[in-house]
Amino acid sequence: EDKVVQSPLSLVVHEGDTVTLNCSYEVTNFRSLLWYKQEKKAPTFLFMLTSSGIEKKSGRLSSILDKKELFSILNITATQTGDSAVYLCAVRQGAQKLVFGQGTRLTINP
Amino acid sequence: DTEVTQTPKHLVMGMTNKKSLKCEQHMGHRAMYWYKQKAKKPPELMFVYSYEKLSINESVPSRFSPECPNSSLLNLHLHALQPEDSALYLCASSQAQGGAGELFFGEGSRLTVL
Repeated sequence: EDKVVQSPLSLVVHEGDTVTLNCSYEVTNFRSLLWYKQEKKAPTFLFMLTSSGIEKKSGRLSSILDKKELFSILNITATQTGDSAVYLCAVRQGAQKLVFGQGTRLTINP
Repeated sequence: DTEVTQTPKHLVMGMTNKKSLKCEQHMGHRAMYWYKQKAKKPPELMFVYSYEKLSINESVPSRFSPECPNSSLLNLHLHALQPEDSALYLCASSQAQGGAGELFFGEGSRLTVL
């Protein structure tokens, strides 16, 4: 059965801390792995990863994919209260299907 | 324009009502999706349209009926729903099949079935 598993499911840290969110997957016909941030409504796109070992970076956020070990991590440095959200990992399976993990609920306390 | 627009934002309906959710995108995307999201759960795929043709139906009950009138529009017709169908319904679009690209999501229609 295809699955995407995220850990931890919930994380509470203080502003300024660095966090690492994990995503492991077992899916057939892997095309890409995507990270989304969801606050109250629509998931907003963060990164798409297709190749192993190449770090994608955007400001304080970065992500990397390991296609041999079938996982990805999302790092957030110098966290801010605005980073509080649910972070969703999703795997693009074939041409059209996107399979989501359960999400990690991140809370940043001031 | 990188927007996916969904209407209505909120909908309350009885179990005997017929209503529709609408989704529009003007990014030239040829794949459009309906997802259902229950509280504190990830989005679950319902339907995929590719080039205006239904390509994936994830065994969704027939009380949900999708329609893609043209490449920019996607509807979800609702009839005889159950209270457990209450959820956030997300529309998304992406470039044509064959790509590995990201999905762009609308803000969702929050549906309550009484």
